[in-house]
Amino acid sequence: NAGVTQTPKFQVLKTGQSMTLQCAQDMNHEYMSWYRQDPGMGLRLIHYSVGAGITDQGEVPNGYNVSRSTTEDFPLRLLSAAPSQTSVYFCASSYSPPGGPWNEQFFGPGTRLTVL
Amino acid sequence: GEDVEQSLFLSVREGDSSVINCTYTDSSSTYLYWYKQEPGAGLQLLTYIFSNMDMKQDQRLTVLLNKKDKHLSLRIADTQTGDSAIYFCAENLYGGATNKLIFGTGTLLAVQP
Repeated sequence: NAGVTQTPKFQVLKTGQSMTLQCAQDMNHEYMSWYRQDPGMGLRLIHYSVGAGITDQGEVPNGYNVSRSTTEDFPLRLLSAAPSQTSVYFCASSYSPPGGPWNEQFFGPGTRLTVL
Repeated sequence: GEDVEQSLFLSVREGDSSVINCTYTDSSSTYLYWYKQEPGAGLQLLTYIFSNMDMKQDQRLTVLLNKKDKHLSLRIADTQTGDSAIYFCAENLYGGATNKLIFGTGTLLAVQP
């Protein structure tokens, strides 16, 4: 199993550009989520999905869109990038929503995004 | 409120014990977790504790939970240079399909040889 994969590893954008961060998992997990990691702020939940066709907002959803057309993929779209979106983005997956020792969240290696 | 706080940095010598502390605010959390993030990598689950437990030991790791003070700690015995990483505590906020993890700010552990 490849686990959770993310592409690209690094990306530089200009303000106003759009892009999609890719996330895929091969563990047949229903629950997938996107976090951003900023210095001194830990990880904050952007969007999550409890299954194909179902998505919902997390703590900091503004400026980001998601969709979940398959169980495996959960792309994150930035429609018009802003410098405030400079961050490291992590995708995670688990069998069901987090909670309990049987439901470990598996994290991808991250995408480091810089918006100029 | 949902707020999890940690000190930002801890430096120890190889072979010493490390203690990383965390305070949380939501008393309804059912599970609390410790994650490890090595440089350039995602987070990996290290250990967890159920909210009705005071202590959990897992090889070199000891987790202590003080529910009254909403304080969680992770003790690493015989700390090695390979333990150098950022450590995050996280609490699970129960909401059924909207269960979510709230992460702390992370503690950078530097182990000096």
